[in-house]
Amino acid sequence: DADVTQTPRNRITKTGKRIMLECSQTKGHDRMYWYRQDPGLGLRLIYYSFDVKDINKGEISDGYSVSRQAQAKFSLSLESAIPNQTALYFCATSRSAGGNYEQYFGPGTRLTVT
Amino acid sequence: KQEVTQIPAALSVPEGENLVLNCSFTDSAIYNLQWFRQDPGKGLTSLLLIQSSQREQTSGRLNASLDKSSGRSTLYIAASQPGDSATYLCAVMYSSASKIIFGSGTRLSIRP
Repeated sequence: DADVTQTPRNRITKTGKRIMLECSQTKGHDRMYWYRQDPGLGLRLIYYSFDVKDINKGEISDGYSVSRQAQAKFSLSLESAIPNQTALYFCATSRSAGGNYEQYFGPGTRLTVT
Repeated sequence: KQEVTQIPAALSVPEGENLVLNCSFTDSAIYNLQWFRQDPGKGLTSLLLIQSSQREQTSGRLNASLDKSSGRSTLYIAASQPGDSATYLCAVMYSSASKIIFGSGTRLSIRP
């Protein structure tokens, strides 16, 4: 089984709808991240969480919110989806113990907002 | 402004060649640098991570180097194979892991 899983893998939604993307991990890592990837651009950080009670905004948090329900689960919400939120969304995890912070990624969710 | 650049954006080489991919960063106060591979429509697979105190890391046919003073990292792939075809991304992490910046990647194609 994959260590970092994301659901759904693909989603098409309409402008104005609320949508939630979910991420679960079995790696036992304390840190979790949400990124979006647009064609021709690198990944950009949306939100990150160092533990259940420590959530921080990344570079492009406007229009998004997150919830860290447990150490293993980190969800991303689009309160009112808009077409320019069409992108590939990735969840990642890392471990702070040892100071390594190597990131491990999920398979991604392809979101289309029409 | 902290930026990470990968040039070229695309590269095509014949099978068997050794090749180098480049990653440049504007702020040298990095914590670590990580190289990833991404296959079309897939997630990112970690290849190598170099801490700021290290000069290089090796895994199989891959060797990543880091020169903070010049703001550069290179990923060396020896004896390239068609299965190496993918997009290669570098990511720079700054202190406390609160800032992570990705390059836009180099799309590598290995011709049989």
